Amino acid sequence: RKEVEQDPGPFNVPEGATVAFNCTYSNSASQSFFWYRQDCRKEPKLLMSVYSSGNEDGRFTAQLNRASQYISLLIRDSKLSDSATYLCVVNNDYKLSFGAGTTVTVRA
Amino acid sequence: DTGVSQNPRHKITKRGQNVTFRCDPISEHNRLYWYRQTLGQGPEFLTYFQNEAQLEKSRLLSDRFSAERPKGSFSTLEIQRTEQGDSAMYLCASSSSGGAVKYFGPGTRLTVL
Repeated sequence: RKEVEQDPGPFNVPEGATVAFNCTYSNSASQSFFWYRQDCRKEPKLLMSVYSSGNEDGRFTAQLNRASQYISLLIRDSKLSDSATYLCVVNNDYKLSFGAGTTVTVRA
Repeated sequence: DTGVSQNPRHKITKRGQNVTFRCDPISEHNRLYWYRQTLGQGPEFLTYFQNEAQLEKSRLLSDRFSAERPKGSFSTLEIQRTEQGDSAMYLCASSSSGGAVKYFGPGTRLTVL
């Protein structure tokens, strides 16, 4: 079983729509959680950290449920520039474990 | 630009050849990581340095792979006797001690013919 499992999508949504997706992780001792964004053939870039209390960064909302070992990301008012692969990432001490990514395409 | 840099950005080689990649981390970061990413997958951990000490190597890192960080600054990743299955994006990342956030370089894309 992979340490981080994600819905691969693809999610194809119109501009202005809301899109949400999630991932699950297997190691209950995992310490910190992130969403990274990766554009085609580029390196992953940190989108936001994820906290149990839930946190927002502009149009992005992330949520962590430690009991269910579940992480979610919601994008409101989607923009064309949001088209990317979103990687769910779990940190254990020094090592990051990545999901395979969820592909989101926002169409005009 | 004070981010993580990697060279070369692209490398095409023939099977059986040796290749070496370089990573320059963010200057104040003492932790350096190598990851490998294949198409359709997330990056997979290969190895990790704290200063010049290599503290962990993944089982993915066969005997043909060796990484060094001789002065605790830049790092090199060498692959000997390359195989077609080594074709991937090799990503370097760095962080401060105890820093959970890792910053990635642009990667070296290796193609083995």
